[in-house]
Amino acid sequence: GQNIDQPTEMTATEGAIVQINCTYQTSGFNGLFWYQQHAGEAPTFLSYNVLDGLEEKGRFSSFLSRSKGYSYLLLKELQMKDSASYLCAARDSNYQLIWGAGTKLIIKP
Amino acid sequence: NAGVTQTPKFRILKIGQSMTLQCTQDMNHNYMYWYRQDPGMGLKLIYYSVGAGITDKGEVPNGYNVSRSTTEDFPLRLELAAPSQTSVYFCASSSTPESAFLYFGPGTRLTVL
Repeated sequence: GQNIDQPTEMTATEGAIVQINCTYQTSGFNGLFWYQQHAGEAPTFLSYNVLDGLEEKGRFSSFLSRSKGYSYLLLKELQMKDSASYLCAARDSNYQLIWGAGTKLIIKP
Repeated sequence: NAGVTQTPKFRILKIGQSMTLQCTQDMNHNYMYWYRQDPGMGLKLIYYSVGAGITDKGEVPNGYNVSRSTTEDFPLRLELAAPSQTSVYFCASSSTPESAFLYFGPGTRLTVL
């Protein structure tokens, strides 16, 4: 079956760095996505990886290892506004997105 | 350019009632999707459409129907509401299936009592 696993909740301190891990099993693979979702709002796109390696975009970076079925999202210089859920999603061979349940990130001052 | 809009934002239904969740996009996207999001769960695909007149079932289609008469509109119909359909519903669109970017609407929070 198809499955995405990510931690349910993480806590970090303002100004610190946090890494949110995601493992996936899909029928075929056409990319790994990270979305941010603030409470009561729609998900918004953060990053996309289709090849192995690190993609950096400002304070956020995302890493992919296709052989391990593994990705992580790295958030640096954490700000209070980064408190949100982070959704990992993998796209299968039919270009359908399989979504994880999300990781709720709590930032403490 | 409003992007993806959804109405209503909130709705309470009684068991057995029917309703239509509206979704409109103004980006001329061919691909549109309906997802539901339950607390602590990932987004689940209900139905999707690859263009006007073409729709297909997703992972959890039971209890729902869709139509796509125009490129812009993709309404979701609940015929006989059940408590299990209490959820947040998101409509989304993309230009192509290969696109890295899904545009989401603001969501409809539905409660069935």
